[in-house]
Amino acid sequence: DAGITQSPRHKVTETGTPVTLRCHQTENHRYMYWYRQDPGHGLRLIHYSYGVKDTDKGEVSDGYSVSRSKTEDFLLTLESATSSQTSVYFCAISESAGAGANVLTFGAGSRLTVL
Amino acid sequence: AQKITQTQPGMFVQEKEAVTLDCTYDTSDPSYGLFWYKQPSSGEMIFLIYQGSYDQQNATEGRYSLNFQKARKSANLVISASQLGDSAMYFCAMRLNSGGSNYKLTFGKGTLLTVNP
Repeated sequence: DAGITQSPRHKVTETGTPVTLRCHQTENHRYMYWYRQDPGHGLRLIHYSYGVKDTDKGEVSDGYSVSRSKTEDFLLTLESATSSQTSVYFCAISESAGAGANVLTFGAGSRLTVL
Repeated sequence: AQKITQTQPGMFVQEKEAVTLDCTYDTSDPSYGLFWYKQPSSGEMIFLIYQGSYDQQNATEGRYSLNFQKARKSANLVISASQLGDSAMYFCAMRLNSGGSNYKLTFGKGTLLTVNP
């Protein structure tokens, strides 16, 4: 298995509380991504990183922030969780980007429920 | 912006038969990559197969093949000799290879395949 660990795997929280999801990789891959998966929507990109301290927004970035202070860690933060952020969150990594089969390898997912 | 369409929310197939899962895409960029992922009920995302827009031959990986029709902008996944373990959600995805988009994989909404014994 690719070395990607997501934590926590399950979390229940209340509306308005901050939440941080962690993605840790042991592959030394440059690129890291956060996706959310919702029924009827497939996977949608929240934020991604192309290096330490280099991040950019995806298609559904509102209400989320990210940080990457080390190659191996990519944190996703919900500053004030809302019920619409109830979802399964996937972290993914890739060694490179651009042309070619630069496959994304996914973590096991983190299920977040906001009450 | 790129778009991926999977028109079949659900598909059924008998064990040992072949099945085709449809995927169409929309982009004006000439260089892109197409991917298929499998998500079983356990939830993990498993990479199956990749096709580059300039690849001359259709990609194959074991029982999986990608029927790539560039003019029609379709990238259908063909699973031969279906097995019970093929029951899963299948996602088609695309990545553009130009400019600032080359990091991002855009997914379709998925097709739920059920293999019947």
